[in-house]
Amino acid sequence: QKEVEQDPGPLSVPEGAIVSLNCTYSNSAFQYFMWYRQYSRKGPELLMYTYSSGNKEDGRFTAQVDKSSKYISLFIRDSQPSDSATYLCAIKKGSTLGRLYFGRGTQLTVWP
Amino acid sequence: GAGVSQTPSNKVTEKGKYVELRCDPISGHTALYWYRQSLGQGPEFLIYFQGTGAADDSGLPNDRFFAVRPEGSVSTLKIQRTERGDSAVYLCASRREVTGELFFGEGSRLTVL
Repeated sequence: QKEVEQDPGPLSVPEGAIVSLNCTYSNSAFQYFMWYRQYSRKGPELLMYTYSSGNKEDGRFTAQVDKSSKYISLFIRDSQPSDSATYLCAIKKGSTLGRLYFGRGTQLTVWP
Repeated sequence: GAGVSQTPSNKVTEKGKYVELRCDPISGHTALYWYRQSLGQGPEFLIYFQGTGAADDSGLPNDRFFAVRPEGSVSTLKIQRTERGDSAVYLCASRREVTGELFFGEGSRLTVL
């Protein structure tokens, strides 16, 4: 079993829709939670970073962490065609220098 | 440079050959990471360097894989006796000290025929 599980999709939504992306993890030692966006043939880029349970908002993006359920979510409001990409969740244990464990990514298409 | 630079962007080789992939991190970033991403999968950790030394190489799949960072800047990932299963995108990232954020390059796409 992988450290973090993510439904690969694909997910296809109309412009303006609210998108919900989710991951689950198995080990309570994980303390840091991230969402990366990866466009085709590009490297991942950091979207959101959090280390506590609850919500963190940045513009149209909201990251949600529930440590008791070991469940993390990313919500995208008013989705745009430019949001079409693969979204990767990533988790990390306590050390700030430690490795990231990535989910397999969810491919999202937002059609106009 | 402005971002993490990886060369070559594409490499096609034959089974059994030796390959080197280069990563030039963002200037001043002391931590450097290598990940491998197979088609339809998330990046998988290989190794990371703090300065010149490999702080964690537990993700290297076998002894055909080796990485160096002799001067604490540029890193080279070396793959001996390549196999078809080594075909993937090899991603390099460097870490901003203050925030801990990783900045990824665009990757080197390796195809082993």
